[in-house]
Amino acid sequence: DTGVSQDPRHKITKRGQNVTFRCDPISEHNRLYWYRQTLGQGPEFLTYFQNEAQLEKSRLLSDRFSAERPKGSFSTLEIQRTEQGDSAMYLCASSLEGTGREKLFFGSGTQLSVL
Amino acid sequence: QQQVKQSPQSLIVQKGGISIINCAYENTAFDYFPWYQQFPGKGPALLIAIRPDVSEKKEGRFTISFNKSAKQFSLHIMDSQPGDSATYFCAALSGGYNKLIFGAGTRLAVHP
Repeated sequence: DTGVSQDPRHKITKRGQNVTFRCDPISEHNRLYWYRQTLGQGPEFLTYFQNEAQLEKSRLLSDRFSAERPKGSFSTLEIQRTEQGDSAMYLCASSLEGTGREKLFFGSGTQLSVL
Repeated sequence: QQQVKQSPQSLIVQKGGISIINCAYENTAFDYFPWYQQFPGKGPALLIAIRPDVSEKKEGRFTISFNKSAKQFSLHIMDSQPGDSATYFCAALSGGYNKLIFGAGTRLAVHP
């Protein structure tokens, strides 16, 4: 499978715990995005990497959230001291920088449930 | 205000019918309008997209109609099939990278 891969698919945690998600983009894609999707809503932009550089963070990304993309390959999204409001689907997407509007490929997401 | 409003929230269509989903936007800086299809347990997948310099784009059974003056665009699914049952999101984009602003989604059910 050469698509965007996310791990784990599901995560259940207790409030206050830390969680980390991983995203492996399509290998040649240099752009990587994290989005969050809550039930009945469209995905909301969280952050964007071009290679290893994090170029934009949404105001939705509180100080408890941190994302990294070492060496411009896979990316991790960590949530510290989880809250029930963090329960959502966390989607990773990647694209290849090019001319015009390149196609964005999404992974199947990590469903987080905070109890 | 970067926002995209989508309607209806849900839609039921008989097999062979036409499904129509509408979106409206406010930000005139948006210059790319994709539609995404999402099946349960999967991430969204790009279906079709349009730029504001054209009024219509057709790919197979899927057509986007775009009204720049009204700041509205719509997705038409002709000859709807049960396999089209999914959630559809309109989106809009401005800027140099894919920071998409999504609508709230339309849950489409096509009955046989």
